[in-house]
Amino acid sequence: DAKTTQPPSMDCAEGRAANLPCNHSTISGNEYVYWYRQIHSQGPQYIIHGLKNNETNEMASLIITEDRKSSTLILPHATLRDTAVYYCIVASTGANSKLTFGKGITLSVRP
Amino acid sequence: GAVVSQHPSRVICKSGTSVKIECRSLDFQATTMFWYRQFPKQSLMLMATSNEGSKATYEQGVEKDKFLINHASLTLSTLTVTSAHPEDSSFYICSAGNRGKNTGELFFGEGSRLTVL
Repeated sequence: DAKTTQPPSMDCAEGRAANLPCNHSTISGNEYVYWYRQIHSQGPQYIIHGLKNNETNEMASLIITEDRKSSTLILPHATLRDTAVYYCIVASTGANSKLTFGKGITLSVRP
Repeated sequence: GAVVSQHPSRVICKSGTSVKIECRSLDFQATTMFWYRQFPKQSLMLMATSNEGSKATYEQGVEKDKFLINHASLTLSTLTVTSAHPEDSSFYICSAGNRGKNTGELFFGEGSRLTVL
């Protein structure tokens, strides 16, 4: 079973920030928070991951609460191409660590 | 970034035939690869973990004799759907991590859509 809960869907206007929430109240001390997204009929795309500090890369920012029980993925300036299903996953690191996908959140970016 | 490639991207076969799907890590070595299956409007479901040089580890409910996995080298894993039936029609996706860069992220292939007639 997935260890995360996400709202089923949300939308935002193009050019605005999209804030995608995720709850992971049972996260273990050695587990990271990963975010992936899947555009229709494609394989998932890695976005970002973090342990406890906030992280930022060219795609997004990841804000993790101090108790690590929830996090928010921020797409600073959403575009139509960001419309996808976004998956929040908790897992330990290592190339052999498997990822268990939940239902994700469907983000719709409107013009 | 790291690239994982799958082939074929689409395949249509007759019921009862076998289909092989290849997953390659193009610019890194992967001791472990993962195979997922995704039905329409559903999430990805992990089928098995493919281990280089040893037997695959299957998730509960996945038939190992039906879904044969071979991981013969550090850059190639294959999934063979044997005696395919219409209910095996699905989107099959592989993923791999970079053993030389143990930062945790897994990279996914483009997926292979199987249609069994």
